[in-house]
Amino acid sequence: AQSVAQPEDQVNVAEGNPLTVKCTYSVSGNPYLFWYVQYPNRGLQFLLKYITGDNLVKGSYGFEAEFNKSQTSFHLKKPSALVSDSALYFCAVRERPNNQGGKLIFGQGTELSVKP
Amino acid sequence: KAGVTQTPRYLIKTRGQQVTLSCSPISGHRSVSWYQQTPGQGLQFLFEYFSETQRNKGNFPGRFSGRQFSNSRSEMNVSTLELGDSALYLCASSARPGLAGVRHTGELFFGEGSRLTVL
Repeated sequence: AQSVAQPEDQVNVAEGNPLTVKCTYSVSGNPYLFWYVQYPNRGLQFLLKYITGDNLVKGSYGFEAEFNKSQTSFHLKKPSALVSDSALYFCAVRERPNNQGGKLIFGQGTELSVKP
Repeated sequence: KAGVTQTPRYLIKTRGQQVTLSCSPISGHRSVSWYQQTPGQGLQFLFEYFSETQRNKGNFPGRFSGRQFSNSRSEMNVSTLELGDSALYLCASSARPGLAGVRHTGELFFGEGSRLTVL
């Protein structure tokens, strides 16, 4: 069965420090991988995706993610955290077949808290 | 370009009632999918519509239904509401392969959601 795991419910970092939000996946075949962010009482905002190509993907707001096929991981990173980065982060996966276009499997989410 | 629009944003219902939620996708997007978000279960896929046809369906009871209109707008309906149906219902739109000049990049664009409270 397809699944996505975010092993940390919460990540706490100090402003200016690097941050990492972890994600591992289990799917058949080569996956499409995504990161989304959700602010309180808002919908999900797309951050970045991995489809194919370079393992390091750059996205919005200075975020990047590293795809590691052997470890089936897709960790989200940022070199220097901001207080405004505090939000709920979701990793998601979709299989390649186009008839699964709208169906994403989400992790449980990781609450990121950045303190001044 | 306007984003995904969901209405209403907030609503309160009582057990046994039914509710209809509406979603207008981004202009040009023909695929609409729905998700339920709860603190306990997280984000769960409900169904996806494309060209007025349901293409995928998640593991929800038949009380949950949806439809899509010719202008790609979608509605979802929940009948005989239960307390456990209280959730944030998110709609997302995406372009689909086969659209001329549009590469299917895969990401979904989400609306702000409709927060349903069942009393």
